[in-house]
Amino acid sequence: QLQLQESGPGLVKPSETLSLTCTVSGGSISSSSYYWGWIRQPPGKGLEWIGSIYYSGSTYYNPSLKSRVTISVDTSKNQFSLKLSSVTAADTAVYYCARHVRYCSGGSCLYARDWFDPWGQGTLVTVSS
Amino acid sequence: QSVLTQPPSVSAAPGQKVTISCSGSSSNIGNNYVSWYQQLPGTAPKLLIYDNNKRPSGIPDRFSGSKSGTSATLGITGLQTGDEADYYCGTWDSSLSAGSYVFGTGTKVTVL
Repeated sequence: QLQLQESGPGLVKPSETLSLTCTVSGGSISSSSYYWGWIRQPPGKGLEWIGSIYYSGSTYYNPSLKSRVTISVDTSKNQFSLKLSSVTAADTAVYYCARHVRYCSGGSCLYARDWFDPWGQGTLVTVSS
Repeated sequence: QSVLTQPPSVSAAPGQKVTISCSGSSSNIGNNYVSWYQQLPGTAPKLLIYDNNKRPSGIPDRFSGSKSGTSATLGITGLQTGDEADYYCGTWDSSLSAGSYVFGTGTKVTVL
């Protein structure tokens, strides 16, 4: 059974870089058709997709966060990571990692089929001095 | 602000049915497949529906999904107290060059 587990500091200072790692167990991060994604949820608010990465290193990022986000993958450790720079209090959230199943038709990806399953349990990151 | 709009809340008595709408546009729901997620209090979201209307293994058939045009709907029949949760729709949005995955605003289901 595939499981994902987030890890990283629970407290980050404003203007610094948030760094989290997701460890995948029970399956290979190098499986085809699967991306690996990060999603966050500010306290009391809804879900926001941050970005996703394929085992080859190909990425998709949320345009609203793209300038501050870097997602990387380490296939030897079956892990993928998130870095979010120049954080502010608005970046305080529970951060989830999840397997991103994605199927596309053609180069422009018409009729995209995407879903996230399973999810990690999430980790709360607070931005505060 | 999400491009997918859901009602903030819906409620019904045990055993009844609720439906949750998810309204989007041609750049998202209109041309891509929709998934639905259930988030029980204090837990991570869980996939309920994918490809508009398919249920993963282990999800009871009380949960159903449909799509028409630029809107999607999640239905829950035989409502149970354990169904009290937040529900989110999601899909790919192709309005920008590289695209982006978007979630709905979320709907809280209350069992009266």
